[in-house]
Amino acid sequence: AQSVTQLDSHVSVSEGTPVLLRCNYSSSYSPSLFWYVQHPNKGLQLLLKYTSAATLVKGINGFEAEFKKSETSFHLTKPSAHMSDAAEYFCVVRLSVSGYNKLIFGAGTRLAVHP
Amino acid sequence: ETGVTQTPRHLVMGMTNKKSLKCEQHLGHNAMYWYKQSAKKPLELMFVYSLEERVENNSVPSRFSPECPNSSHLFLHLHTLQPEDSALYLCASSQGIQGSPLHFGNGTRLTVT
Repeated sequence: AQSVTQLDSHVSVSEGTPVLLRCNYSSSYSPSLFWYVQHPNKGLQLLLKYTSAATLVKGINGFEAEFKKSETSFHLTKPSAHMSDAAEYFCVVRLSVSGYNKLIFGAGTRLAVHP
Repeated sequence: ETGVTQTPRHLVMGMTNKKSLKCEQHLGHNAMYWYKQSAKKPLELMFVYSLEERVENNSVPSRFSPECPNSSHLFLHLHTLQPEDSALYLCASSQGIQGSPLHFGNGTRLTVT
């Protein structure tokens, strides 16, 4: 069965320091993977997606993620955190069932950014 | 302004009330979704509509009743809810159901008293 595990429920960084949000997936097939971000009182916004092309995927707002099949990981990184990056981040795997693609969401990682 | 608009933003209802959540998308998409986001739980898919036909009902209790009158509008009709139904209800849309990303609205925060 497909699933996704976000290894940290909370991450706290200082402004200007690197961000690492960890995600491991379980999939019987070559997966499609996404990262979404949710700011307070907002819906989810797509940050980036991996669909079996380049293993290093660049997204919006300076974020990127690397697909590592050997480690079944899809960690999200950013070289330098900004205060506006404070939000909740969701790692998502897509599986094909019953003729449509169903998204499986991780439990989320709340990122805090301190001055 | 988000391409997916949800109203109301907040709703408080008693267990005997009947209310409806509304979602409208301005993106020209042909698939729409309802998700439930509860505290400390992953997002749960509730319903999927493609070309105005329901393609997924993810074991949702009958006290939640979706309606998709056209490809731009999606409703979630609520009746005799329970306190554990209190959550953020998110609507999303996509172009097709085979792979394009979902675009989410800002959600309706529902509190059942």
